Amino acid sequence: KNEVEQSPQNLTAQEGEFITINCSYSVGISALHWLQQHPGGGIVSLFMLSSGKKKHGRLIATINIQEKHSSLHITASHPRDSAVYICAVRSRSQGNLIFGKGTKLSVKP
Amino acid sequence: DAGVIQSPRHEVTEMGQEVTLRCKPISGHNSLFWYRQTMMRGLELLIYFNNNVPIDDSGMPEDRFSAKMPNASFSTLKIQPSEPRDSAVYFCASGSRGFGTTNEKLFFGSGTQLSVL
Repeated sequence: KNEVEQSPQNLTAQEGEFITINCSYSVGISALHWLQQHPGGGIVSLFMLSSGKKKHGRLIATINIQEKHSSLHITASHPRDSAVYICAVRSRSQGNLIFGKGTKLSVKP
Repeated sequence: DAGVIQSPRHEVTEMGQEVTLRCKPISGHNSLFWYRQTMMRGLELLIYFNNNVPIDDSGMPEDRFSAKMPNASFSTLKIQPSEPRDSAVYFCASGSRGFGTTNEKLFFGSGTQLSVL
């Protein structure tokens, strides 16, 4: 079983829809990252969370440490949001980052 | 700052050849990571350095892989000899001061697309 599981693997949405991507993990963590990888391959760090919630523009990330779960929400989705969204957790014991397999999001106009 | 700089962007080589990938982290960052991404396995951590010292190299697949960080501004990942199954995109990332704390931020390079024929 992977230590970091993301769902769904693929997601297609219509422009304007509210989108949720989920991440569950099984290890103790000190931080969780949400990354965005564009079709061109570049990776951008969106959020780093250790508790609670963060908001940046139309993106909202939440984490529940007790339930070992995080969600990334996109409000009023747009075709330019189409990308792969990757959840990564920092293992508290080892200090390294463990990645989920990513969620491929396609937003249709 | 120009961000994390990786070179080359693309590398095509023949099986058995030595391959060297290079990374220049963002100035002032004290953590550096090498990752590999394939369709099958997604992103995998290969090795990471903190203050130029290798902290965890458990992700390095075989002895054919080696990584060095001779100073704070440069790191290399070497594969010798290369094999077709090494074909992947190799990313370098650096972590800002405060990495490992609630202030950590990660910055990725553009990656090196490696094809071993």
